[in-house]
Amino acid sequence: DAGVTQSPTHLIKTRGQQVTLRCSPKSGHDTVSWYQQALGQGPQFIFQYYEEEERQRGNFPDRFSGHQFPNYSSELNVNALLLGDSALYLCASSLAVEWDNSPLHFGNGTRLTVT
Amino acid sequence: GDSVTQMEGPVTLSEEAFLTINCTYTATGYPSLFWYVQYPGEGLQLLLKATKADDKGSNKGFEATYRKETTSFHLEKGSVQVSDSAVYFCALSPTDYGGATNKLIFGTGTLLAVQP
Repeated sequence: DAGVTQSPTHLIKTRGQQVTLRCSPKSGHDTVSWYQQALGQGPQFIFQYYEEEERQRGNFPDRFSGHQFPNYSSELNVNALLLGDSALYLCASSLAVEWDNSPLHFGNGTRLTVT
Repeated sequence: GDSVTQMEGPVTLSEEAFLTINCTYTATGYPSLFWYVQYPGEGLQLLLKATKADDKGSNKGFEATYRKETTSFHLEKGSVQVSDSAVYFCALSPTDYGGATNKLIFGTGTLLAVQP
């Protein structure tokens, strides 16, 4: 049973560039959430996708956007990269009908470095 | 807004020592509370959870009790091992009028280092 998989594992970009991160949820899960974890900090909620729509969003600018595909996989896009976007980006999946009881399952993350 | 505050680390203990990591929260409604653990180079793993006041979550010898009167969810273990060395995150999942939100608000994490 494959868990949450993210790609790539590491990425280096230059300020002003755009980046796309990818996530495949745990088998059977239909909801994908993205978190940003800066060095030495706890993860911060970016947004959540269910039924191919953004359902909830945290306090992140519009430069952060996402997409969910019919197979439930998801992409996180960040435009006009800033040095402060350097962080570990975590994807988490869950099953919508079990939100009350189902914990989030996290991937190992994508380490993004902006130079 | 909702928030989680946990004790700063690092916490350094000898093997078999008693562990407490303090966590307090601010939230409206009735959030669920969680402890997640992050081993080096890995993602977050759920350690334990509690969904209502006075519930005790437990797993792998770790325990935490949901205390609404003190808005706390302190993590404890009676005898730590070297393999417990990791970063521990306290988190809450807010509720709204629609019920569970299935998103997490994390504390800043506490690094635990256990020495042989």
